Amino acid sequence: GDSVTQMEGPVTLSEEAFLTINCTYTATGYPSLFWYVQYPGEGLQLLLKATKADDKGSNKGFEATYRKETTSFHLEKGSVQVSDSAVYFCALSEPEGSARQLTFGSGTQLTVLP
Amino acid sequence: NAGVTQTPKFQVLKTGQSMTLQCAQDMNHEYMSWYRQDPGMGLRLIHYSVGAGITDQGEVPNGYNVSRSTTEDFPLRLLSAAPSQTSVYFCASRPTPKRYQPQHFGDGTRLSIL
Repeated sequence: GDSVTQMEGPVTLSEEAFLTINCTYTATGYPSLFWYVQYPGEGLQLLLKATKADDKGSNKGFEATYRKETTSFHLEKGSVQVSDSAVYFCALSEPEGSARQLTFGSGTQLTVLP
Repeated sequence: NAGVTQTPKFQVLKTGQSMTLQCAQDMNHEYMSWYRQDPGMGLRLIHYSVGAGITDQGEVPNGYNVSRSTTEDFPLRLLSAAPSQTSVYFCASRPTPKRYQPQHFGDGTRLSIL
């Protein structure tokens, strides 16, 4: 079945450092890919998405490019802030009608120190 | 703009007790889902609904029931609580089953079973 493998955490960075969180996937067909962010005590929020190969999703300084040849969707940010501390989930959409709907990675905890 | 609202935010139960987790959305979304979040396992789908009167099982449905009498509400019932059901529960919705559409999540219910 479809699966998402995410970089193991936790990740600790200093403010203004460069961030990469790796995400690779296996899927049948042509899934859409998503990054969600979960701040402490809150639900998941959509951070960005890409719906086809070579699409780049971007939001709040974060970027990720849908790479079909390497089945990857790595999350990057050039300069992280303390407020970016959260758990980040990579996810892919299952085919319509599938019970799973979304397959999530296990999440990566990011802590940014001042 | 309320989005997806879950109640209660926290709950402690004793083994064998029953309870209902409430979920309501005000976006007129067709699709609603319940997930559980456990450490290191991402989110797993419990039950989902594609519209009022229609529900189906997800990956981990045992021990849970759902109903969908209106478009807005999608309650999750624990019939006889077990310690293995200690988790954080998230309700989510999206407009249609299209693969490119992201889910909107509530803030979660943190449930402990003693």
